[in-house]
Amino acid sequence: EAGVAQSPRYKIIEKRQSVAFWCNPISGHATLYWYQQILGQGPKLLIQFQNNGVVDDSQLPKDRFSAERLKGVDSTLKIQPAKLEDSAVYLCASSLVRGQETQYFGPGTRLLVL
Amino acid sequence: ELKVEQNPLFLSMQEGKNYTIYCNYSTTSDRLYWYRQDPGKSLESLFVLLSNGAVKQEGRLMASLDTKARLSTLHITAAVHDLSATYFCAVDTTFYGGSQGNLIFGKGTKLSVKP
Repeated sequence: EAGVAQSPRYKIIEKRQSVAFWCNPISGHATLYWYQQILGQGPKLLIQFQNNGVVDDSQLPKDRFSAERLKGVDSTLKIQPAKLEDSAVYLCASSLVRGQETQYFGPGTRLLVL
Repeated sequence: ELKVEQNPLFLSMQEGKNYTIYCNYSTTSDRLYWYRQDPGKSLESLFVLLSNGAVKQEGRLMASLDTKARLSTLHITAAVHDLSATYFCAVDTTFYGGSQGNLIFGKGTKLSVKP
């Protein structure tokens, strides 16, 4: 079974630029999560989708972050404009059923904002 | 606010020794996860603990959950170098009123096993 796919793996941008990350969850997984992991910390949930609807985006900085999951499969997370403090690893995870199953994580996108 | 605290945050141990990592959380939850993360890699699921008194074992790792004490432990038996990684516990916030699947992670315990 293929795992969660993410791209790009690394991205370096300057502050105030925009950036987008892509995630393809495990086939058949209805729930998709985006996490931010700052160096030395545990992941923090940014947004959760159930199929193509947003379930929880309470921790998403909506003035600069946006995410969508068209057709209930792939998802993109965008940052515009980026700040220095956005430097982190952005992890995508998926689960079969919301809240009832283990979340499987992708390899992450490592973002450095200069 | 739900808080999840792990200790120790850093652990250096010799091969063959035993040790325990602790995960305390601040409010009631009935679902706790343990993940492993190798440097530069993503998180790998180790255990899901779903009820008070739950105990799960895989190889040299054993995890337990005491929901009354709000405590989970990850016990390492006869450590080997391959266990070197960062271990995270994560608590499901559903019982606390969070959305299902909203996990709060601890800061992680960086384990280094030396020959």
